[in-house]
Amino acid sequence: EPEVTQTPSHQVTQMGQEVILRCVPISNHLYFYWYRQILGQKVEFLVSFYNNEISEKSEIFDDQFSVERPDGSNFTLKIRSTKLEDSAMYFCASSARVGWNEQYFGPGTRLTVT
Amino acid sequence: AQTVTQSQPEMSVQEAETVTLSCTYDTSENNYYLFWYKQPPSRQMILVIRQEAYKQQNATENRFSVNFQKAAKSFSLKISDSQLGDTAMYFCAFMSTQGGSEKLVFGKGTKLTVNP
Repeated sequence: EPEVTQTPSHQVTQMGQEVILRCVPISNHLYFYWYRQILGQKVEFLVSFYNNEISEKSEIFDDQFSVERPDGSNFTLKIRSTKLEDSAMYFCASSARVGWNEQYFGPGTRLTVT
Repeated sequence: AQTVTQSQPEMSVQEAETVTLSCTYDTSENNYYLFWYKQPPSRQMILVIRQEAYKQQNATENRFSVNFQKAAKSFSLKISDSQLGDTAMYFCAFMSTQGGSEKLVFGKGTKLTVNP
């Protein structure tokens, strides 16, 4: 069965550094998402992406964050200048359509900012 | 803004028994979607079951069923004949149908352990 994959599984970076988290969504899906989960807290929506542009973003998704679909398969989340509070599990998801349709999640990337 | 509350951080059940996980939510909308996702240890979240708010009939998927009480804004998950493979974090989630929103709003999760 097709799966969403994410790399790396764990990323350690220093405060102020740029980091790129990578995701390969399911191949025929058109809608892409990033969520994050700070340890002990809820999974929070960051951004959704469709037709090569952001369709919705949360208050968390400020100018430090950006997303890109650089080719036909990858979907990336970039954090320009990481802060300690960016330490979290980042989940990528994709879906074939919006709404009722299931969002398929990747296994996550654990980002640790030191 | 919508919120989802799961009041049971952890639960345990004996294999073959039935367990119910609670979820309540807050919204002013009349139609929306509700989901239960399961995240086994070290694996990705997968959809267990979903319910559309305007459908009064409770959704069922094999051993998994929901008790959807719209007026009470409650969406509990019942797992019958629990199996060891049901051990996982379970997340309740809400999705609006308004304004083309696609985001899932999650609860904090319930860690379920099925004991042999």
